[in-house]
Amino acid sequence: EAGVVQSPRYKIIEKKQPVAFWCNPISGHNTLYWYLQNLGQGPELLIRYENEEAVDDSQLPKDRFSAERLKGVDSTLKIQPAELGDSAVYLCASSLRAVDEQFFGPGTRLTVL
Amino acid sequence: QKEVEQDPGPLSVPEGAIVSLNCTYSNSAFQYFMWYRQYSRKGPELLMYTYSSGNKEDGRFTAQVDKSSKYISLFIRDSQPSDSATYLCAMSANTGNQFYFGTGTSLTVIP
Repeated sequence: EAGVVQSPRYKIIEKKQPVAFWCNPISGHNTLYWYLQNLGQGPELLIRYENEEAVDDSQLPKDRFSAERLKGVDSTLKIQPAELGDSAVYLCASSLRAVDEQFFGPGTRLTVL
Repeated sequence: QKEVEQDPGPLSVPEGAIVSLNCTYSNSAFQYFMWYRQYSRKGPELLMYTYSSGNKEDGRFTAQVDKSSKYISLFIRDSQPSDSATYLCAMSANTGNQFYFGTGTSLTVIP
């Protein structure tokens, strides 16, 4: 069974530029999560989807971050414009249901210069 | 106060040692608990998932939950150099609630 796929794995951009991350969850998983992980810290939830509906986006900085999950499968997380403080690893995870085990992708390491 | 507290370490042990990793939490409603292993520059990998109190064993790993003390543990027996990684705990209250992660404990097993 294929795991959670994320791309790109690494991204370097200059501040004020836009950037997008893509996630393909495990087949059949209804719940999809985007997390942010800073160095030496645990993942922090940005947004959670149940199918195509964003059910928890309270920690998503909506002035510059946006996300979508069309057709309840793949998801895209966008930052526009990026700031220096956005440099981090962006992790995507999926689970069968909200309470089930979460399986993580390898993450996208973003560096903003 | 953070929802989940975890000693960041670093923890260094000789090969073959028994390792004890711990997390404490403040929310008495937490009842779903997970342990993840994260290698450098990789995504977290699920090790154990437990519900409510008690113990769960899987090979060299044992997860223990003490809800009365709001304390969870992960024990690694016969530790191997390949166990060197950061270990994250995560927990949630109920269906539909988010999981809160600890900051992770860095473990090095010395051959």
